[in-house]
Amino acid sequence: KAGVTQTPRYLIKTRGQQVTLSCSPISGHRSVSWYQQTPGQGLQFLFEYFSETQRNKGNFPGRFSGRQFSNSRSEMNVSTLELGDSALYLCASSGGTGTGELFFGEGSRLTVL
Amino acid sequence: AQSVTQLGSHVSVSEGALVLLRCNYSSSVPPYLFWYVQYPNQGLQLLLKYTSAATLVKGINGFEAEFKKSETSFHLTKPSAHMSDAAEYFCAVTETHGSSNTGKLIFGQGTTLQVKP
Repeated sequence: KAGVTQTPRYLIKTRGQQVTLSCSPISGHRSVSWYQQTPGQGLQFLFEYFSETQRNKGNFPGRFSGRQFSNSRSEMNVSTLELGDSALYLCASSGGTGTGELFFGEGSRLTVL
Repeated sequence: AQSVTQLGSHVSVSEGALVLLRCNYSSSVPPYLFWYVQYPNQGLQLLLKYTSAATLVKGINGFEAEFKKSETSFHLTKPSAHMSDAAEYFCAVTETHGSSNTGKLIFGQGTTLQVKP
């Protein structure tokens, strides 16, 4: 079974630009979550989608948005990039076991210049 | 609300020595607890999980953790460290509202394990 796939793995943007990150969950998993990881703040929850609906949202500005498609693939978008948005963005999928166990992708490392 | 505290942001051990990484949690309901490991430039890999079955949980790569409700702890141990164990380790608890999981994990700040030859 293929794991969680995130693209792109690395990207560099400049301030003010926008970026879209993609995530393909494990086959059969309907829940996709996104986390931001930075050295200073650690792992912070962005949002979670289940069957194309956002079920939970973290404390991030509206510049951060996401969506989920009918095939469970998910995208997140960050508009008007700021230097502080430089981070590793991790996607995780869940098979709905009820325990909350997450399976993570390798992440997309965003650098904002 | 749930929370996780990992004691010690950096732990250094010699190869072959005992590894002990500490995690304390706060939860108003029986928790589901996890340990994840992250190698440089990679995502998080599940080491082990506690889901209210046996209190001593065995995971991959020789790691194990013991759930102690009275101490609200879930410390990670390994009898003999290998150089390949050098990584960052995260303890996490499932967030719940009432008796339902929200789909979110709450992570500790992480502990970097250094293994010296």
